[in-house]
Amino acid sequence: EAQVTQNPRYLITVTGKKLTVTCSQNMNHEYMSWYRQDPGLGLRQIYYSMNVEVTDKGDVPEGYKVSRKEKRNFPLILESPSPNQTSLYFCASSFKGASGRPGNEQFFGPGTRLTVL
Amino acid sequence: EDKVVQSPLSLVVHEGDTVTLNCSYEVTNFRSLLWYKQEKKAPTFLFMLTSSGIEKKSGRLSSILDKKELFSILNITATQTGDSAVYLCAVEGHSGTYKYIFGTGTRLKVLA
Repeated sequence: EAQVTQNPRYLITVTGKKLTVTCSQNMNHEYMSWYRQDPGLGLRQIYYSMNVEVTDKGDVPEGYKVSRKEKRNFPLILESPSPNQTSLYFCASSFKGASGRPGNEQFFGPGTRLTVL
Repeated sequence: EDKVVQSPLSLVVHEGDTVTLNCSYEVTNFRSLLWYKQEKKAPTFLFMLTSSGIEKKSGRLSSILDKKELFSILNITATQTGDSAVYLCAVEGHSGTYKYIFGTGTRLKVLA
């Protein structure tokens, strides 16, 4: 089944304790992206990757790191989490279009609900 | 600053009603506008629009883009309780990077 998976689905942690949220897709998509979703603010893009070893900042990259060492995986790293990073996180992927842009449809993972105390 | 604004914020209708959801945008180097439906889980894709005036249709849902006036509408006819969800509008822009800007969504509730 074509899908984007994220782990963990739920995480409660404390300020300053490094964590990684994994994202994996089995559709051979070039484009992958991380979003956070907060009430009243909608989905905001954190980082994205156009291909292996190619990453770029979205609108809210502060406090986050990513890496793209393999095409299928795009982990999100919080080196020193803070309470303002409490949020619902989504990973998404899509094909790269013919023009080199992201393709039509982004497939979203199930989400990771993170609470930082 | 790039922005996408959706209206109304929320809407309550009865089954069988027709609804129109709005999305206006100001985004650098517009490339495409996408509509998603989000129930209590991940967003699912509905439409992508790139050209003005061309309606995209899928069953009871349809959408159209006006690139001159910088907005799109999503219409749902003969609404059903299963249409209850948050509808998200996203715009792909390109100012040196491939970014997606999402609106805050319209929460639709359809009563039986």
